[in-house]
Amino acid sequence: NAGVMQNPRHLVRRRGQEARLRCSPMKGHSHVYWYRQLPEEGLKFMVYLQKENIIDESGMPKERFSAEFPKEGPSILRIQQVVRGDSAAYFCASSPQSQGETQYFGPGTRLLVL
Amino acid sequence: KQEVTQIPAALSVPEGENLVLNCSFTDSAIYNLQWFRQDPGKGLTSLLLIQSSQREQTSGRLNASLDKSSGRSTLYIAASQPGDSATYLCAVPYNQGGKLIFGQGTELSVKP
Repeated sequence: NAGVMQNPRHLVRRRGQEARLRCSPMKGHSHVYWYRQLPEEGLKFMVYLQKENIIDESGMPKERFSAEFPKEGPSILRIQQVVRGDSAAYFCASSPQSQGETQYFGPGTRLLVL
Repeated sequence: KQEVTQIPAALSVPEGENLVLNCSFTDSAIYNLQWFRQDPGKGLTSLLLIQSSQREQTSGRLNASLDKSSGRSTLYIAASQPGDSATYLCAVPYNQGGKLIFGQGTELSVKP
């Protein structure tokens, strides 16, 4: 049973470009979470999704950031018009249910904005 | 608002020592508490999950305890090894929902 998969593992973008980060949850998991880890800071929640629904996006910046988890395919975190402050490690986690269950984390995507 | 604090921020011990990492949270109405390990440049590995009804969980040389009333959890590592060197994070769900609130982590270094 493969774990949570994220790609790309490393992504370099110039200011103003778009970044697309992908996350495939573990088999049988229908809950996906995105977290961001800024340099020298802790992990911060961004968004929680179930298939075709955004459940909680309270941690996601209102502008330039969006997330989806379509019926088929991976979850996508999209950052438009990236700025240097977006440089961070972005982690995806999945769980079979939202409560009382361990969240399993992917290896992360390290975004560097030049 | 739930806040999670970990003390110390960094810890260096010689190989073979037993050690305790601390985690405190401000809102005791938690559903569970999870301990993770993060190696440099890598993702998070789940170590232990303690449900709110439990007092402790054990896995190998690791033992995690939970005291909801005092808002504290400890992670005990027995007979530490250099391979235990990593950052250890604790996290609790926010408002019994899915998202996790993380502490800042304790960076552990075990010297041979």
